[in-house]
Amino acid sequence: GQSLEQPSEVTAVEGAIVQINCTYQTSGFYGLSWYQQHDGGAPTFLSYNALDGLEETGRFSSFLSRSDSYGYLLLQELQMKDSASYFCAVRDGTGGFKTIFGAGTRLFVKA
Amino acid sequence: EPEVTQTPSHQVTQMGQEVILRCVPISNHLYFYWYRQILGQKVEFLVSFYNNEISEKSEIFDDQFSVERPDGSNFTLKIRSTKLEDSAMYFCASSSGTGGTGELFFGEGSRLTVL
Repeated sequence: GQSLEQPSEVTAVEGAIVQINCTYQTSGFYGLSWYQQHDGGAPTFLSYNALDGLEETGRFSSFLSRSDSYGYLLLQELQMKDSASYFCAVRDGTGGFKTIFGAGTRLFVKA
Repeated sequence: EPEVTQTPSHQVTQMGQEVILRCVPISNHLYFYWYRQILGQKVEFLVSFYNNEISEKSEIFDDQFSVERPDGSNFTLKIRSTKLEDSAMYFCASSSGTGGTGELFFGEGSRLTVL
């Protein structure tokens, strides 16, 4: 099976930097993704790491360490609109490909 | 920009009734998925579908659930006899393949309320 752990909630101020950590356990690890979900909306893809290291996409960066089964999402220059839930998700290649989501981290950005 | 569309956006049904949720995936995508999200909780994998058959399903996806691609565009989820605990938001997603990022493109969801 698969399991993912991430903090349930994080609060930060506008303009700050926040890091959301994720640890995972899975037998058929293929890669780690991050998705954003605003209240009432659908999850939207943010980033993906298949190999160790940092991937940067604008204000968002994501990191993966396969040996530690650990990754994080880094959000810089926080804006109010970044208030949302952030899910780490593992792509699992056992059987057919599927993406399994963590429980999500609720980010509150304060003025 | 291509998008995944889902209907209905909200369905209210009585316990024991059958429900069909419909999805139109992005046209050149090959992999289709159903996920569900109980309010405020995690996005749970239900089933993946490729080449006109189920490629994987979760423990949630029991005999009450079925999926179908009746034509070249629609992808449906049927719940045969709904239970109260089936109340959730159901998301359809599609992806172009297993390579690359495997990005899932989600529809806006169908909220199912079972009374």
